[in-house]
Amino acid sequence: KAGVTQTPRYLIKTRGQQVTLSCSPISGHRSVSWYQQTPGQGLQFLFEYFSETQRNKGNFPGRFSGRQFSNSRSEMNVSTLELGDSALYLCASSSTVSGNTIYFGEGSWLTVV
Amino acid sequence: GDSVTQMEGPVTLSEEAFLTINCTYTATGYPSLFWYVQYPGEGLQLLLKATKADDKGSNKGFEATYRKETTSFHLEKGSVQVSDSAVYFCALSPPMKTSYDKVIFGPGTSLSVIP
Repeated sequence: KAGVTQTPRYLIKTRGQQVTLSCSPISGHRSVSWYQQTPGQGLQFLFEYFSETQRNKGNFPGRFSGRQFSNSRSEMNVSTLELGDSALYLCASSSTVSGNTIYFGEGSWLTVV
Repeated sequence: GDSVTQMEGPVTLSEEAFLTINCTYTATGYPSLFWYVQYPGEGLQLLLKATKADDKGSNKGFEATYRKETTSFHLEKGSVQVSDSAVYFCALSPPMKTSYDKVIFGPGTSLSVIP
């Protein structure tokens, strides 16, 4: 059974640009959550989607947005990139079968220059 | 609100030493508790979990016991290896009846094991 898949794994963007990251959850998982990980701030919750609806949102500016499709795949978008957005972005999925256990992907490393 | 506190480290141990990473939590009801491990350059992997009081989670030689009376879930391993060098995250998830709440992570503990 395939795990959580995130693309791209690595990317470099310029300040002011926007970026879209993609996440394919484990088959059958309908909940997808996103986290930002930086050396200084640790692991911070961005948002969670379930059945195409945003169910939880962390304390991030409106430049950070996401969505979920009917096949449970999810994307997150960051507009007007800032240097401080450089981070590892992690996607995780879960299901009612997995209970409240979330499973992470390998992450997308974003560098803003 | 719910929270997780863990020793931040870094922790440096010699190979074959005993490991304890402390984790305590604050939560209402009976949350599920987890330990995740992150190896360099990788995402987080579920290491072990416990879903009710006195449960013991175990995997790859690591163990942690859900202690409701002390609200703790300390991670232990009897003999660490160089390959255990990683960052370890303690986490909790509220009870299923409030499953809309997000999983809460501690700050992570960096472990380095030297030969």
